[in-house]
Amino acid sequence: NAGVTQTPKFRILKIGQSMTLQCAQDMNHNYMYWYRQDPGMGLKLIYYSVGAGITDKGEVPNGYNVSRSTTEDFPLRLELAAPSQTSVYFCASSRTGDAGELFFGEGSRLTVL
Amino acid sequence: GDSVTQMEGPVTLSEEAFLTINCTYTATGYPSLFWYVQYPGEGLQLLLKATKADDKGSNKGFEATYRKETTSFHLEKGSVQVSDSAVYFCALSDQGGGYQKVTFGTGTKLQVIP
Repeated sequence: NAGVTQTPKFRILKIGQSMTLQCAQDMNHNYMYWYRQDPGMGLKLIYYSVGAGITDKGEVPNGYNVSRSTTEDFPLRLELAAPSQTSVYFCASSRTGDAGELFFGEGSRLTVL
Repeated sequence: GDSVTQMEGPVTLSEEAFLTINCTYTATGYPSLFWYVQYPGEGLQLLLKATKADDKGSNKGFEATYRKETTSFHLEKGSVQVSDSAVYFCALSDQGGGYQKVTFGTGTKLQVIP
């Protein structure tokens, strides 16, 4: 019963460093998403993917990149980390046609100093 | 565009008290509505959903009714427990933009004290 698995759970970066947040799901879901959660702000969509090889920007894509080479994996790349990217990041997936029924990972807490 | 507004927290209740968390929405089409719950240190989990007007979603003693006339989807529970302490998010889903777009409210923190 793995569901959606995110790594790492915690990370501290220095300004200007880069890193990749990993996300994998074992439910054969076509749709995958990356959200960031800031205190009192709810969740904001960074990028999403409707299937392998297809990605698109969400509300707040600046400073991030994604790829989707397989159905299972959807890594999020942070280039040139900035303090504004300090947040909790959630990966989620859903079945095609089940709009809104998202399955979330446990989150990755990133601090940029 | 779509938006979800929910009551600000934190909400503090005694065990066995009645819970209401208000949620209203704005959408151009006919969205599906959801409540998600986030326990400390965890990701969000779907709590309940309703896909059309007058539908009632229910799970674990929680209920919410899709009210199109008032564009509301208020969450209720008759008797809360300490284990219900969490952050609750109202959300809507719209098929606009060619993908399953989900819009979340800002969340309401619930604390239940013994």
